[in-house]
Amino acid sequence: AQKVTQAQTEISVVEKEDVTLDCVYETRDTTYYLFWYKQPPSGELVFLIRRNSFDEQNEISGRYSWNFQKSTSSFNFTITASQVVDSAVYFCALSEGVRDDKIIFGKGTRLHILP
Amino acid sequence: EPEVTQTPSHQVTQMGQEVILRCVPISNHLYFYWYRQILGQKVEFLVSFYNNEISEKSEIFDDQFSVERPDGSNFTLKIRSTKLEDSAMYFCASSEALAESYEQYFGPGTRLTVT
Repeated sequence: AQKVTQAQTEISVVEKEDVTLDCVYETRDTTYYLFWYKQPPSGELVFLIRRNSFDEQNEISGRYSWNFQKSTSSFNFTITASQVVDSAVYFCALSEGVRDDKIIFGKGTRLHILP
Repeated sequence: EPEVTQTPSHQVTQMGQEVILRCVPISNHLYFYWYRQILGQKVEFLVSFYNNEISEKSEIFDDQFSVERPDGSNFTLKIRSTKLEDSAMYFCASSEALAESYEQYFGPGTRLTVT
């Protein structure tokens, strides 16, 4: 069965520090997609990244980077030089490689960036 | 950029009342979804819909829930007789037909409050 575990419920860091959000997933499929979403206090889900299971290259987008390790079933997310605007709940999610398959979300990590 | 829209943004209803949440998916998308997020919890899959029928539904999606695509643009979620525990944020999502461009686009959500 599919499962996404975000062991960190809540993290607080001081602005400008780097922070890594952990994500571990379980799936039986060899083809699957991994996602990260940001949910600011306003409540909408902001798409950050999608990665398919065949692409293990790490990704960097500005201050954001993602580390995908199939060997440990992890898809961690790092924010470099954090800013107060990064404060939000971050969800890691998984979808199996079927066209219309549902997305399974982790419980989320609430990130507080302190000024 | 095309986006998924949802109305209303906030709905307050009394227990036992019927409520209809509306979504307008992106126009060329063929797969539609509803997700629910109880306050402070993770986002949970409710139902997926394709070709005018339900593809998959979760155990949450009981007989009180129904979905419909009444015309070429709207996708609705009806809760027949609301309960207090139906209070949540409801997200609609849609995706294209092509597997290689698979991505679910989420709407901004409708916050349902049952009193």
